[in-house]
Amino acid sequence: GIQVEQSPPDLILQEGANSTLRCNFSDSVNNLQWFHQNPWGQLINLFYIPSGTKQNGRLSATTVATERYSLLYISSSQTTDSGVYFCAVGEGISNTGNQFYFGTGTSLTVIP
Amino acid sequence: KAGVTQTPRYLIKTRGQQVTLSCSPISGHRSVSWYQQTPGQGLQFLFEYFSETQRNKGNFPGRFSGRQFSNSRSEMNVSTLELGDSALYLCASSLDPNNEQFFGPGTRLTVL
Repeated sequence: GIQVEQSPPDLILQEGANSTLRCNFSDSVNNLQWFHQNPWGQLINLFYIPSGTKQNGRLSATTVATERYSLLYISSSQTTDSGVYFCAVGEGISNTGNQFYFGTGTSLTVIP
Repeated sequence: KAGVTQTPRYLIKTRGQQVTLSCSPISGHRSVSWYQQTPGQGLQFLFEYFSETQRNKGNFPGRFSGRQFSNSRSEMNVSTLELGDSALYLCASSLDPNNEQFFGPGTRLTVL
C-alpha cells in the first residue's frame, strides 16, 4: 500500500502564529484530502486537493503530485484550530475501488 | 443536504458478542467505505462498497464483514468481539472513488 508520512507529529503554537504541515506519500495518487478531526472524532473536510493550490479563509493547501507531497498552511492560528490534522491519499482506481491511506496525523495545540 | 449518518454513536459490548453498525451515505453517493481508528494503529481501511458490491477489502480478519443495500446504506458486522476491536469506526461516502470523501461522526465501540 501507499505509505503516508506527516510532519511534524506535534506542534504547539501561540495564537496568531502561522504554521505549515507536510504530507509525503510514496506513490502516485489520484485523490488527496486534508481533514481536521474534531474532539468528538469526526473528520471534517478541509481540502480535496489531488494537485494544485486551494485557499479557504486562513487555510490553504498545495499538492505537488509529481514530487509526492502536500502542504497545509494555517495562518493567524486560533485556539479553535487545535486538534489533529490528517492527510489521506487514495489511488482512486474505479475498477478496483478506492482505499484511503492515512498518515498518523499532526497534533496541533494553539495556546492563547 | 444531509451528511453521512452513523448509528449507533456509542456501543458497549462484551467479548464474544457480535455487533452491527449502520451507515447512511449522502443522498446520491454510491460509494461507502469503512475505517477503524485506534490509538495504536491509527486509521485503517476496512472495506469499500459501490453499488452493492464489495470492491476492496483491507487487511482485517474474516470476523469483519459488511454489505451495502440497494439504497446505498451500508452495514458492517463484527462477530466474536475481542478487546482489541474497541475503536472508533468511521464511515465515508463519495460519488465515486475519484471524488471527495465525506465522513460520518463515527461509532465508538467499547468491548469489555
